[in-house]
Amino acid sequence: SQQGEEDPQALSIQEGENATMNCSYKTSINNLQWYRQNSGRGLVHLILIRSNEREKHSGRLRVTLDTSKKSSSLLITASRAADTASYFCATGPYSGGGADGLTFGKGTHLIIQP
Amino acid sequence: GAGVSQSPSNKVTEKGKDVELRCDPISGHTALYWYRQRLGQGLEFLIYFQGNSAPDKSGLPSDRFSAERTGESVSTLTIQRTQQEDSAVYLCASSFLYGQGYEQYFGPGTRLTVT
Repeated sequence: SQQGEEDPQALSIQEGENATMNCSYKTSINNLQWYRQNSGRGLVHLILIRSNEREKHSGRLRVTLDTSKKSSSLLITASRAADTASYFCATGPYSGGGADGLTFGKGTHLIIQP
Repeated sequence: GAGVSQSPSNKVTEKGKDVELRCDPISGHTALYWYRQRLGQGLEFLIYFQGNSAPDKSGLPSDRFSAERTGESVSTLTIQRTQQEDSAVYLCASSFLYGQGYEQYFGPGTRLTVT
């Protein structure tokens, strides 16, 4: 079953603007990861945030995590054309058996207009 | 260093034929994962290996799917009697150890088309 749900499904903004994507999940987690996928570089890990962290930064990326609401957001500041890609949140793998890979949402497709 | 590699990059096969997909993980990574991504969808987890052991095969879509791993290196995903619904990109990933908190490094995928 799907754990993460990204919102919005698609987002188009002008270059230089900030882009915000949200992710909601269903079960308790130890960490949450964000990945980017584009045709040129495939699926690439962006950032991991642990359940005891509320906010994390990496370059132009800012991730927040609200475990009480089971949600996370990814903010990309000063967007560039190269940021055009699909962005996925992922949770897991879970220990102790069960489906033990990462569980991905359907992703947010971000388009940066020049 | 070298990343995760997969072969072939593209595979077109006729319905009913068997296919074998290959994954070479990053050297030293003990954990290996297989995922499937249908067009416009997120990734669907299939199976993982710790070393050459796959503790849980329940994520495989049907008994036509099987996977093996030799030691802590190459893995193959085999699909027997392919169906059109098997058309997807099959992605392999590896991580240093299995478990939460370990980044997974993904290969470029194998695009499988069943005609």
